[in-house]
Amino acid sequence: SQQGEEDPQALSIQEGENATMNCSYKTSINNLQWYRQNSGRGLVHLILIRSNEREKHSGRLRVTLDTSKKSSSLLITASRAADTASYFCATVRTGGGNKLTFGTGTQLKVEL
Amino acid sequence: ETGVTQSPTHLIKTRGQQVTLRCSSQSGHNTVSWYQQALGQGPQFIFQYYREEENGRGNFPPRFSGLQFPNYSSELNVNALELDDSALYLCASSARLDPGGYTFGSGTRLTVV
Repeated sequence: SQQGEEDPQALSIQEGENATMNCSYKTSINNLQWYRQNSGRGLVHLILIRSNEREKHSGRLRVTLDTSKKSSSLLITASRAADTASYFCATVRTGGGNKLTFGTGTQLKVEL
Repeated sequence: ETGVTQSPTHLIKTRGQQVTLRCSSQSGHNTVSWYQQALGQGPQFIFQYYREEENGRGNFPPRFSGLQFPNYSSELNVNALELDDSALYLCASSARLDPGGYTFGSGTRLTVV
């Protein structure tokens, strides 16, 4: 079963704008990860944030984690057409080994 | 350092048949996990292999089975294929003690007709 929901399901923005995607989950976690998927192919790991962290940056990516609300957000700044893809959050549950439980995904389209 | 490779990339099978999908893990990774991704959905965990033994399983019937070999490569076998088995099957490798650092292959697109 899916861990949670991602919001919005689809997002369309202009190149240069910022894109924000949200993820909610249901259980206690060790960490939360974000992945990108182009055209239904393999997943690319973007960033990992551990349960004791509140914010993390990597290049144009900024991730926040609020464990009290069981939610996370991914911000992509100064978006490019090449950022067009589906974005998934995935959690590693506390005591759940290291399997990933994915959300439902956000389809991002960045237009020129 | 090589990434995760999966074969074949596409496959069409008839309902009731059996299929074997293959995955070579990334160098240095000793754990392999398999995921099923239906169209428009997030990936769902099938099972994980560590040191050639199943180490965790998702909500999939026994006709989904797997193997891990001494070189950490892996196979996913599905018997008695059903139309709902049509999906993208993804393999991911990781180092056992590292809860992050998952590397995914490009997937095998299975169509059951």
